Amino acid sequence: AQSVTQLGSHVSVSEGALVLLRCNYSSSVPPYLFWYVQYPNQGLQLLLKYTTGATLVKGINGFEAEFKKSETSFHLTKPSAHMSDAAEYFCAVRGLYSFQKLVFGTGTRLLVSP
Amino acid sequence: NAGVTQTPKFRVLKTGQSMTLLCAQDMNHEYMYWYRQDPGMGLRLIHYSVGEGTTAKGEVPDGYNVSRLKKQNFLLGLESAAPSQTSVYFCASSYSTSGRHEQYFGPGTRLTVT
Repeated sequence: AQSVTQLGSHVSVSEGALVLLRCNYSSSVPPYLFWYVQYPNQGLQLLLKYTTGATLVKGINGFEAEFKKSETSFHLTKPSAHMSDAAEYFCAVRGLYSFQKLVFGTGTRLLVSP
Repeated sequence: NAGVTQTPKFRVLKTGQSMTLLCAQDMNHEYMYWYRQDPGMGLRLIHYSVGEGTTAKGEVPDGYNVSRLKKQNFLLGLESAAPSQTSVYFCASSYSTSGRHEQYFGPGTRLTVT
């Protein structure tokens, strides 16, 4: 069974600083990995996904994530935080075979200060 | 395209009352899902559907029923609401169950049961 651990329920950064949101997964088979963003009072929006191929994945709004199989990690980064990045971020994993549900982490709220 | 829409956006119920949440998608997706989001718990799958006329249980199905009479609609019913069902409910849809295809989320319904 798949599971996802997001370290830190809240992460605070200053505007212009590096954003690093951590995600570790467990999966018995090669997984598909996703990062979603949720702005206040809105639904979830896909930031980026890893399926196969290049392990460094670029997403929207300047975010990227690197799939590291040896570390079972899929951390989300952005070189320079913007005030508009303040939101909650969810990492999710699903397995490769047949219908396997999307398993979400508990989320990390990103706070950006001026 | 409107994407995934949900009706209503907000609702307050008294314990024991019933209600139906409506989800509609205009992307011709085969697969639809209902999640609930609770603080510190991420999103948990309630029920899902792999096509018109089919439904299946997810992770937390107790107290809920669903129907998929039309491909574009997925209804979530609460027959006798309980305070434990106070949550934010999200509907999602996807082209297939393949991990390559991400799920698209609606804006959510905030339900309070008193």
